[in-house]
Amino acid sequence: EPEVTQTPSHQVTQMGQEVILRCVPISNHLYFYWYRQILGQKVEFLVSFYNNEISEKSEIFDDQFSVERPDGSNFTLKIRSTKLEDSAMYFCASSEGSTNEKLFFGSGTQLSVL
Amino acid sequence: LAKTTQPISMDSYEGQEVNITCSHNNIATNDYITWYQQFPSQGPRFIIQGYKTKVTNEVASLFIPADRKSSTLSLPRVSLSDTAVYYCLVGDFYNQGGKLIFGQGTELSVKP
Repeated sequence: EPEVTQTPSHQVTQMGQEVILRCVPISNHLYFYWYRQILGQKVEFLVSFYNNEISEKSEIFDDQFSVERPDGSNFTLKIRSTKLEDSAMYFCASSEGSTNEKLFFGSGTQLSVL
Repeated sequence: LAKTTQPISMDSYEGQEVNITCSHNNIATNDYITWYQQFPSQGPRFIIQGYKTKVTNEVASLFIPADRKSSTLSLPRVSLSDTAVYYCLVGDFYNQGGKLIFGQGTELSVKP
């Protein structure tokens, strides 16, 4: 089965630093997403992206966050100035379309902000 | 968005059939019911989706009564590798644009 790949699997950073989390969605998928899961808590939606622009974003996705599809294969999440509370597992996902179709999630990047 | 209620945890033994029920009393006409599975340190994985009656695939069955106020995920003959958290999601995914709202899920523990 095709899969979404994420790099790195673990990222440690100092508070205030910028981080970029990278994802390679499934090649024929058109919709891309970022979710996160703080340890012991629910999986939370951050943002959806289609046709090179944000379709929807949650309250969590503030000005410190940005997403980009810099080329035909990568999808990135940037956090400009990390905070301690940004520590979480970040999941990238993709889907062929947005109409009741299943999302394919990557294995995640564990971000630790010290 | 319809609120879902499911048991926090369940225990089972290898080879048994496991049924996890989810309540969603305020499900709307356009809402679908979807179940995801999550292993520790992994992203959620789609299991099954349905609108009404019964849906079956190679992994599970989903039973939805006529009033659609609940649904039951059935896992036949579970093995140790089915130990995971199972999430019931309800929503009009067409209009939500891939925005899935996860609850706490049901933590299934399969014992030998």
